[in-house]
Amino acid sequence: AQSVTQPDIHITVSEGASLELRCNYSYGATPYLFWYVQSPGQGLQLLLKYFSGDTLVQGIKGFEAEFKRSQSSFNLRKPSVHWSDAAEYFCAVGTLAEGGGNKLTFGTGTQLKVEL
Amino acid sequence: DAGVIQSPRHEVTEMGQEVTLRCKPISGHDYLFWYRQTMMRGLELLIYFNNNVPIDDSGMPEDRFSAKMPNASFSTLKIQPSEPRDSAVYFCASSPPPDRDKWSGNTIYFGEGSWLTVV
Repeated sequence: AQSVTQPDIHITVSEGASLELRCNYSYGATPYLFWYVQSPGQGLQLLLKYFSGDTLVQGIKGFEAEFKRSQSSFNLRKPSVHWSDAAEYFCAVGTLAEGGGNKLTFGTGTQLKVEL
Repeated sequence: DAGVIQSPRHEVTEMGQEVTLRCKPISGHDYLFWYRQTMMRGLELLIYFNNNVPIDDSGMPEDRFSAKMPNASFSTLKIQPSEPRDSAVYFCASSPPPDRDKWSGNTIYFGEGSWLTVV
């Protein structure tokens, strides 16, 4: 069965510092991988996704993530964090749904706090 | 374009009452998902539909929970009777059909959630 591990429950960084959020997955086939962000009281917004091809993917808000098959990882990075990036971040693995669609299994999330 | 629309956004109800959560998926999407988010269990998939047909309801926690999708633009998640442990955020999400019936990992779009408190 598929699973996603986000080892860091909370992370605090200073504004302007770099950020890396860790994600490890377990899945028997080539995965589809996603990062979503959830601001307080809001729904989930897609940051970026990896399907195939270039293992470094660019997303919205200056985020990027790198797929490393050998490490079963899909870490999220941002070179310079802004105070507005404070939110909860979820990594997810997509698995096949009946009919050819996609369904998601989420990690437990990482809460990001940004110090001014 | 309108996203996934959920109602109500917030609901407080008494234990034993019936709760109905509503969802309008994005037009043209043929997959609809209901997720529940709690502190203890994170985001869990409760049930999903494909072309209005329930495909997998193995995530529905108990018989008190039921979901329907009478047409392509509307779905409900009902809890009857509600209990305090049902307090959570319930998300509806939708995604477009796959490319040529091949698994294409299409993006799933989430609504803003229904915040349910059962007292």
